[in-house]
Amino acid sequence: NAGVTQTPKFRVLKTGQSMTLLCAQDMNHEYMYWYRQDPGMGLRLIHYSVGEGTTAKGEVPDGYNVSRLKKQNFLLGLESAAPSQTSVYFCASGVNSPLHFGNGTRLTVT
Amino acid sequence: AQSVTQPDIHITVSEGASLELRCNYSYGATPYLFWYVQSPGQGLQLLLKYFSGDTLVQGIKGFEAEFKRSQSSFNLRKPSVHWSDAAEYFCAVGSYSGGGADGLTFGKGTHLIIQP
Repeated sequence: NAGVTQTPKFRVLKTGQSMTLLCAQDMNHEYMYWYRQDPGMGLRLIHYSVGEGTTAKGEVPDGYNVSRLKKQNFLLGLESAAPSQTSVYFCASGVNSPLHFGNGTRLTVT
Repeated sequence: AQSVTQPDIHITVSEGASLELRCNYSYGATPYLFWYVQSPGQGLQLLLKYFSGDTLVQGIKGFEAEFKRSQSSFNLRKPSVHWSDAAEYFCAVGSYSGGGADGLTFGKGTHLIIQP
């Protein structure tokens, strides 16, 4: 029972590079979320999805895009990475709220 | 806009002592309240949630929380802490109607230190 799996676990990017973070859940959850966690800031919602094919903006969506082509996967993309996007990114899923979290992706943008 | 305040950034408690972590929220309607715990290098684990009904909620690992509407609070308690409880604790609030479906608003966390 994997739960919520995030890949990769670590990544270093140069400014301007692009990348995609993958979140996969095996619990058949409708709702999936992407958060970023910064020291002293708690978690802030980037984007979320209430079902396959749907996405919506959260509190801090600028500089990120998402896609939910399959129910079990929620992708977070950075088209042109900036140092301000250095953070730990968490994916979460749930029946109707973020109840299960992945272990995070630590991203550094230099 | 909804918000969550965790007044204590750090709390130090002796092993075996009781614990209370404070959480105050600001929300215009009936809130949907959560407590999560995060160990170093890990994701968040749900401890308990309040949706409706009994205002005293029991969670995992011996934790409980009490919803007090008059004080806009949802404090987390444990009668006797163990060294393994050392972690970061987050309170969060979501919309009752959506059950938190539009994502929760998190507090900035309280870092719990356990003294031997």
